Amino acid sequence: GAGVSQSPSNKVTEKGKDVELRCDPISGHTALYWYRQSLGQGLEFLIYFQGNSAPDKSGLPSDRFSAERTGGSVSTLTIQRTQQEDSAVYLCASSLSGIGTGELFFGEGSRLTVL
Amino acid sequence: SQQGEEDPQALSIQEGENATMNCSYKTSINNLQWYRQNSGRGLVHLILIRSNEREKHSGRLRVTLDTSKKSSSLLITASRAADTASYFCATEGGGSNYKLTFGKGTLLTVNP
Repeated sequence: GAGVSQSPSNKVTEKGKDVELRCDPISGHTALYWYRQSLGQGLEFLIYFQGNSAPDKSGLPSDRFSAERTGGSVSTLTIQRTQQEDSAVYLCASSLSGIGTGELFFGEGSRLTVL
Repeated sequence: SQQGEEDPQALSIQEGENATMNCSYKTSINNLQWYRQNSGRGLVHLILIRSNEREKHSGRLRVTLDTSKKSSSLLITASRAADTASYFCATEGGGSNYKLTFGKGTLLTVNP
């Protein structure tokens, strides 16, 4: 596609439910990043992929969070047993650079609200 | 962990004035980038400056990097109301750590 696509754009769920957030990067981009942004805050790094492997997953807040990337393309971020503090905008970005971080192209985000 | 910290947190100016935002970080970097975010939208890349560069220009944007002080500045000249947005600096760690770490941002308001 022309840009990074994220779905759903909005998700409201009940505490304790699992959610899946999807990111479709720009075709050919080898690096993919997930960030979380709480209201009025900066971006909190979660995980990044180089191809299908995740060299750095140090930002995942707990073992309730997991992410995978298949075929070097689509990535899914899964949050199990959601908590209210998980409410945030989850941003995905991709980068063409195979070595080093060049310009990141961001999606519009998935806004998660946990009731 | 290293992180860019922007200063000021918020800045309000009149159209036509220049806006300067600063970013400080803690450890060595490969490059530093500036991004812009309009309310409720994704981030848009503005400019990238490498650790061996000191200054870079792009249109009305001027970015400087002082690795000895571990700081960078973003200057927007002749600001417009459409420049109203949050501006973030992001640092890529030194060596093979390609994680891009963002600061909390500066909210710029340009009044018409």
